[in-house]
Amino acid sequence: AQSVTQLDSQVPVFEEAPVELRCNYSSSVSVYLFWYVQYPNQGLQLLLKYLSGSTLVKGINGFEAEFNKSQTSFHLRKPSVHISDTAEYFCAVKRGNSGYALNFGKGTSLLVTP
Amino acid sequence: DGGITQSPKYLFRKEGQNVTLSCEQNLNHDAMYWYRQDPGQGLRLIYYSQIVNDFQKGDIAEGYSVSREKKESFPLTVTSAQKNPTAFYLCASSRGPGLAEHQETQYFGPGTRLLVL
Repeated sequence: AQSVTQLDSQVPVFEEAPVELRCNYSSSVSVYLFWYVQYPNQGLQLLLKYLSGSTLVKGINGFEAEFNKSQTSFHLRKPSVHISDTAEYFCAVKRGNSGYALNFGKGTSLLVTP
Repeated sequence: DGGITQSPKYLFRKEGQNVTLSCEQNLNHDAMYWYRQDPGQGLRLIYYSQIVNDFQKGDIAEGYSVSREKKESFPLTVTSAQKNPTAFYLCASSRGPGLAEHQETQYFGPGTRLLVL
């Protein structure tokens, strides 16, 4: 089954600095990849997704991600973060044999400080 | 407004007790899912259902049961056989298979936090 690995459990960053959250996926012929954000004690909200086509995907709140097939990566980036971006971020991949269920990474906690 | 509702927000279970978590959606989605979230472990799939009256086990189905009698509802029962039920439970839904790629998105409810007394 498809899987993803988030390489950083915590990422501290100063406000207005750029940030990159890293995600690698297991190799496969085709892959559907997602980034979700979770604020404390809430459900998950979709940031962006890659299904096919352009490898640079733009999402909500100024985030973008690049699908890199040769490096099996799908890193999330934002050029300038705000305090309000402090949250847990999850990379996910569509499972191969469970409808549209997803396999999630363990999450990256982004902490933005002034 | 369309969306997914989960109730209750907090649930307390006594030892040996079965408890049921509610999940309702008015998005007209065919597929629904239950995930369990533990700190530092991401989300793990418990059960999923692609159509009414059908459901499949996920990775950690032991100690849980579900039903799918209506399209909009997918309740999860945490049985007494689940020895470590304390977690945050998330319900999600998506459109059914065989549709356009852009419809491959899961929408999540606000979650239920289950605690053991």
